[in-house]
Amino acid sequence: GENVEQHPSTLSVQEGDSAVIKCTYSDSASNYFPWYKQELGKGPQLIIDIRSNVGEKKDQRIAVTLNKTAKHFSLHITETQPEDSAVYFCAVNFNKFYFGSGTKLNVKP
Amino acid sequence: NAGVTQTPKFQVLKTGQSMTLQCAQDMNHNSMYWYRQDPGMGLRLIYYSASEGTTDKGEVPNGYNVSRLNKREFSLRLESAAPSQTSVYFCASTLVGTSGLLNTGELFFGEGSRLTVL
Repeated sequence: GENVEQHPSTLSVQEGDSAVIKCTYSDSASNYFPWYKQELGKGPQLIIDIRSNVGEKKDQRIAVTLNKTAKHFSLHITETQPEDSAVYFCAVNFNKFYFGSGTKLNVKP
Repeated sequence: NAGVTQTPKFQVLKTGQSMTLQCAQDMNHNSMYWYRQDPGMGLRLIYYSASEGTTDKGEVPNGYNVSRLNKREFSLRLESAAPSQTSVYFCASTLVGTSGLLNTGELFFGEGSRLTVL
């Protein structure tokens, strides 16, 4: 199966600062890289994704970058707000989805 | 449109008891998944069903069985519960993407079932 490593496991930032979460994966055949946000007591929800033919994708304050040669991709959140506080998961597809271990983001007001 | 519905939301079992977690989706999705979530370990795939009538093992299938009853429903059964199966269980579904053989579709998750085995 696929090996997905995610760092850091916890991240604390001041409101308005940027946050970056990184994931590495092992299988070069993977071609779809989504990020999920999980709020307390709920299931994860897709927030942004990138496919292997694109290096960067942006959606308002969130962006994802992909380096397929190095087999890593990152989630960037700019101008963080308290409502960004949640657990974030990266995922990689290899006929099924494999998830990273999660990053708990705390945005301090 | 309810999305993915899981039942029950909470359950406490004694070691050795059996139970079934139910999952249903109303989005006409082909693929369905069962994950477990443990602190510091993210989401680990238990079983997967690419389409009605097919099931496949994931990363941690031991101690579990599944049934894809029809296109809508995918159940997870614990035959003899153990304390190591204490976890939050998530069902998810996706309309399989078309990028070759690899799945590029968005996963839709249920709200989770919190299981405690004493």
